[in-house]
Amino acid sequence: DTGVSQDPRHKITKRGQNVTFRCDPISEHNRLYWYRQTLGQGPEFLTYFQNEAQLEKSRLLSDRFSAERPKGSFSTLEIQRTEQGDSAMYLCASSAGTGYSYEQYFGPGTRLTVT
Amino acid sequence: QKEVEQNSGPLSVPEGAIASLNCTYSDRGSQSFFWYRQYSGKSPELIMSIYSNGDKEDGRFTAQLNKASQYVSLLIRDSQPSDSATYLCAVEPLGGATNKLIFGTGTLLAVQP
Repeated sequence: DTGVSQDPRHKITKRGQNVTFRCDPISEHNRLYWYRQTLGQGPEFLTYFQNEAQLEKSRLLSDRFSAERPKGSFSTLEIQRTEQGDSAMYLCASSAGTGYSYEQYFGPGTRLTVT
Repeated sequence: QKEVEQNSGPLSVPEGAIASLNCTYSDRGSQSFFWYRQYSGKSPELIMSIYSNGDKEDGRFTAQLNKASQYVSLLIRDSQPSDSATYLCAVEPLGGATNKLIFGTGTLLAVQP
């Protein structure tokens, strides 16, 4: 069973450019989450998918951010017109969505640096 | 008041000692609680989950939950230098259909050889 994978692992971009990140969840996990983590802070929730439906978006997710999960498999997170404040680690997690609760397993993350 | 609070540390313990990490949360209705370990530059790794009051043991790790006091802790017995990392407490708030997690800022643990 391979874990959650994310691509790319690192991304350096210039302010104003668009970037897209990909997340492949653990197979058969129907729940997928995106979080953002900055230095010295815990991860902050961005958005959640159950299968292909995006069911919740944090107010942290401005209109420059968009996420998709076509066919309920992998997910993409796009940031348009990047700003320096977008520099962070973007983490994807998945869970099976069964049982009493839903343990979330994180991927390795994509570290974004906006110059 | 932050939703999930942790002492940022660093918490320094000698090798072989018990490390005690603490976390308080504000949402009294929270149902699920998790401890993650995060090495510098890496992503969080799930260590323990706990849902009921009391203790839950897994190897050298014991999670303790007291919902009345809104307090959850993690004990690491026989601490090893490889346990040196940031430990994140995460809480699933009441009423969420998405099971999103609210994280504390983490406690940095340093185990001295």
